[in-house]
Amino acid sequence: EAGVVQSPRYKIIEKKQPVAFWCNPISGHNTLYWYLQNLGQGPELLIRYENEEAVDDSQLPKDRFSAERLKGVDSTLKIQPAELGDSAVYLCASSLGGASTDTQYFGPGTRLTVL
Amino acid sequence: AQTVTQSQPEMSVQEAETVTLSCTYDTSESNYYLFWYKQPPSRQMILVIRQEAYKQQNATENRFSVNFQKAAKSFSLKISDSQLGDTAMYFCAFMKGKGGGADGLTFGKGTHLIIQP
Repeated sequence: EAGVVQSPRYKIIEKKQPVAFWCNPISGHNTLYWYLQNLGQGPELLIRYENEEAVDDSQLPKDRFSAERLKGVDSTLKIQPAELGDSAVYLCASSLGGASTDTQYFGPGTRLTVL
Repeated sequence: AQTVTQSQPEMSVQEAETVTLSCTYDTSESNYYLFWYKQPPSRQMILVIRQEAYKQQNATENRFSVNFQKAAKSFSLKISDSQLGDTAMYFCAFMKGKGGGADGLTFGKGTHLIIQP
């Protein structure tokens, strides 16, 4: 069974440019998460989707970050415009959903460098 | 809000030795889950072991076991017969049970474990 797929793996952009990350969760997983991982830190939740609904986006900086999950499968996380401080690894995770014993499975992440 | 604390930024042991990684957490929730994840240099976060707070028995997965002390809010990971492939960042994580609001994971800052040949 394929795991969580993310692309691109690496992205280098100039500040003030837009950037987008894509995530394809494990087939059948209804819950999808985006996490931000700064260097030397643990991941921090940005947004959680239950199917196509964003049920927790309290930590998403909405002035420049946006996310969508069309048809409740793939998801895209966008930053516009990017700032130097956005350099980090962006992780996507998915879980089955609907039960309290969900285990989250992570993708390989996208390493963003903003110059 | 929950907090997870890992007080050991880095640990180094010899291959085949046993090593214990510490984790403490703070929460007012009664229904929750605790996890240890491993993140090798390749960056893929891999689940090592999971513990349900309502279970008194400590979880075990092959060479990996936990010491869950609910009253002390402690959740340490023991790795027996350590192998070179165990070298990685290890993160302790907390998740509320359903009905407790958002169930994203709250992570500690991680422990960098190095297994020396």
